[in-house]
Amino acid sequence: NAGVTQTPKFQVLKTGQSMTLQCAQDMNHEYMSWYRQDPGMGLRLIHYSVGAGITDQGEVPNGYNVSRSTTEDFPLRLLSAAPSQTSVYFCASGGSGARELFFGEGSRLTVL
Amino acid sequence: AQKVTQAQTEISVVEKEDVTLDCVYETRDTTYYLFWYKQPPSGELVFLIRRNSFDEQNEISGRYSWNFQKSTSSFNFTITASQVVDSAVYFCAYYGNNRLAFGKGNQVVVIP
Repeated sequence: NAGVTQTPKFQVLKTGQSMTLQCAQDMNHEYMSWYRQDPGMGLRLIHYSVGAGITDQGEVPNGYNVSRSTTEDFPLRLLSAAPSQTSVYFCASGGSGARELFFGEGSRLTVL
Repeated sequence: AQKVTQAQTEISVVEKEDVTLDCVYETRDTTYYLFWYKQPPSGELVFLIRRNSFDEQNEISGRYSWNFQKSTSSFNFTITASQVVDSAVYFCAYYGNNRLAFGKGNQVVVIP
C-alpha cells in the first residue's frame, strides 16, 4: 500500500541546475498538490491539480513548473534552482479535493 | 485570501500538564473545513481532525480535544495530560476553494 511516493528524499543542487521532484500516488485521486515547508513559515502551496491536464498556481508558484499528464503522477520542476528554493517539499493527494489530503514523506532539497 | 493564524510559536510544558493551541482564521466563505495536523520530529504530517463549517460540536479523541467557535473564528486544540510523545509541531489549516492553507505551526515541547 504505497499511498503517496516522493522521490528523491534528499537532493543537493548547485545554483542554476534543473531538477524534477517526482510524486506518484496509487489511490486514483484526482487532486494533487505540492507544498514547501520553511522554518517558521508553515506549509505553503506551490501548485495544485484537480485532474489530468489541469493545473493551477498556489501561493508561491514562482520558479516552479508542473504538469499533470496522468492521474497518478504530478512532477514538480525547478528549471533554474536558486538558494531561496532550499526547503522541504511535500506532495499530497486527495480523493475529495483538498478536504482529505494524504501527504508524502517529504523531499529535502538544498541549493548551494 | 483565507488566513490562518497560530500566534504561539513555541510552547514548553512539563509532562502531564495540559496545553492549548490557538487557531484563528479569516474567511468570507460560508462553507469551509478546518484541520489540525501533527508533525513529529521524524517529519511526516499526521492528520488529526477535520471539521466542516456547519458542525460546531466540540470533539474529544482520547487526550485530544477541539473547540470550534464560529462566532470568534477559532478552532482551538487542547492536549490533556501531555506526554513526551506529544512533542511535535502542530499545524492548523483551512480548506476552501480547492486549497488548503496552513498556519505557521506551534512547536510543542513536553519536558519529562
